[in-house]
Amino acid sequence: KAGVTQTPRYLIKTRGQQVTLSCSPISGHRSVSWYQQTPGQGLQFLFEYFSETQRNKGNFPGRFSGRQFSNSRSEMNVSTLELGDSALYLCASSFGTGGIGYTFGSGTRLTVV
Amino acid sequence: KNEVEQSPQNLTAQEGEFITINCSYSVGISALHWLQQHPGGGIVSLFMLSSGKKKHGRLIATINIQEKHSSLHITASHPRDSAVYICAAALKDGANSKLTFGKGITLSVRP
Repeated sequence: KAGVTQTPRYLIKTRGQQVTLSCSPISGHRSVSWYQQTPGQGLQFLFEYFSETQRNKGNFPGRFSGRQFSNSRSEMNVSTLELGDSALYLCASSFGTGGIGYTFGSGTRLTVV
Repeated sequence: KNEVEQSPQNLTAQEGEFITINCSYSVGISALHWLQQHPGGGIVSLFMLSSGKKKHGRLIATINIQEKHSSLHITASHPRDSAVYICAAALKDGANSKLTFGKGITLSVRP
């Protein structure tokens, strides 16, 4: 079966712009969570959605937002991009919440110039 | 203090050696994941543990809930095992859990 699909794979944006990243979960999975990976901070949890509702949120500014659609696909939006937002953004899907049975996507590498 | 700690930070081994990577966490968890990330690559989930021990090929993962500690063992290591190994704990946060990650261990296996 198809894995977790993230698009696009690579993205270059300019400071001040906004960006939208997409994540399509494994068929049947209803939970999607998002993570940011940077060399300095490692992997950090952004937020988790289940059945179109945000269930949990990490310590990121309000410029980072997300949503989940009825087909469980999720989008993450970052507004007013800063250089420090350059990172690998990963999403993971699972059948339920609670940190059980995550499958990760390959990530979107965002570079802000 | 990070809630999930990994040791050692970096590890170099000779092909064929037995390797152990450790992970400790400070609060209750609902599950612990071991993840592998090759340079420039995405993340692959190796194991998800809530108790005991799991084995897959040359990889073995164990967890001791009472001691809040998990280990990942690689037997007969090979250069293709060179990667970053990350432990991620699903920490209990009220009714929810969220993944908290260790900093990762960079493993280099020399031929």
